[in-house]
Amino acid sequence: DTAVSQTPKYLVTQMGNDKSIKCEQNLGHDTMYWYKQDSKKFLKIMFSYNNKELIINETVPNRFSPKSPDKAHLNLHINSLELGDSAVYFCASSPYRDTGELFFGEGSRLTVL
Amino acid sequence: AQSVTQPDIHITVSEGASLELRCNYSYGATPYLFWYVQSPGQGLQLLLKYFSGDTLVQGIKGFEAEFKRSQSSFNLRKPSVHWSDAAEYFCAVEGAGKSTFGDGTTLTVKP
Repeated sequence: DTAVSQTPKYLVTQMGNDKSIKCEQNLGHDTMYWYKQDSKKFLKIMFSYNNKELIINETVPNRFSPKSPDKAHLNLHINSLELGDSAVYFCASSPYRDTGELFFGEGSRLTVL
Repeated sequence: AQSVTQPDIHITVSEGASLELRCNYSYGATPYLFWYVQSPGQGLQLLLKYFSGDTLVQGIKGFEAEFKRSQSSFNLRKPSVHWSDAAEYFCAVEGAGKSTFGDGTTLTVKP
């Protein structure tokens, strides 16, 4: 039973399209995150939510819109995809807002052509 | 703002040899520090964490790390590396509600 699950695992799409990635965690955690890992494996935080409330938006373009319908789910919608959006997007959850270790999903590899 | 430096981009060790991966952090207060491992095509998995107390922390898979405040370091060690340890290793510091990661160290294990 996967703790943090993301779908889809792979997305291949054309520039200008819109795509969504879904994330669900069954750990009962209050805090969820989106991280972006680029081709050099650099990991950067994009957003974090605590109990459905946005608490961190790390200067991500407005084309990226996270949504948390409940504290177990955090989805990411991306409009007007650009080549530079190609990356692996990781969802993570944490039991605590400020001091928690992160539990990661397996990632969603987005390729924009 | 917090930051993490992993000076070694790539390390190669022979199976059975000891390993040390370096991590230096910058943070104004008492840091919460983590090491994660990422196998190819996988998400990151926590190896160990330091919050407070004993500066030598034990983790999973036989890893340990030592927090040295005077050197702003949190180096990861393993006495005997196994081929399955080949992976990407990330050091992270938690602050202001988010974890900031180093750029990672790629570990290759020679037979």
